[in-house]
Amino acid sequence: EAGVAQSPRYKIIEKRQSVAFWCNPISGHATLYWYQQILGQGPKLLIQFQNNGVVDDSQLPKDRFSAERLKGVDSTLKIQPAKLEDSAVYLCASSLVNSPLHFGNGTRLTVT
Amino acid sequence: GENVEQHPSTLSVQEGDSAVIKCTYSDSASNYFPWYKQELGKRPQLIIDIRSNVGEKKDQRIAVTLNKTAKHFSLHITETQPEDSAVYFCAASKYNFNKFYFGSGTKLNVKP
Repeated sequence: EAGVAQSPRYKIIEKRQSVAFWCNPISGHATLYWYQQILGQGPKLLIQFQNNGVVDDSQLPKDRFSAERLKGVDSTLKIQPAKLEDSAVYLCASSLVNSPLHFGNGTRLTVT
Repeated sequence: GENVEQHPSTLSVQEGDSAVIKCTYSDSASNYFPWYKQELGKRPQLIIDIRSNVGEKKDQRIAVTLNKTAKHFSLHITETQPEDSAVYFCAASKYNFNKFYFGSGTKLNVKP
């Protein structure tokens, strides 16, 4: 089966600029997650979707981060404006109910 | 919310030796515990998992043990090989696997 697809693979921007990441989950996976992984740390959940509804966005910095999942399939995560501390790998994952997470390759964001 | 602690942060072993990574969790309602391996620049990949109704699970050279009373679980890798070198993450989940909380990771280095 095809895995979770993410793009771009790498992105370098200056602080205060905006950036968007895209994720296409495994076909049929109702649950989609965005994680932030700072170097040397474990993945931290930013937002979780069940179909096209938000289940948990308690750790999403809503003043600068936004995410949507149109039609319950693809998802985009946006940062506007970016800060230096946003430099991290942004991982998208998807799962079926009662099933482990399947991760994408991630987008490595560098904010200068 | 759930708090997962992972130790050690780095582990260096000689090829052929065993490696043990330990995690503790705080929420007694957690009932599913996956382990992920992340090689440099790659996505985290599930290597083994255990549910709360099982005390131990083994898959070739890797095994996971769970102590529900003490709220800790461990990853055991025997006969380590250089290709086992990676960062390993534990995670805890509950509510039918919908929420995953990750440890901070263990960087395992297997010296040939």
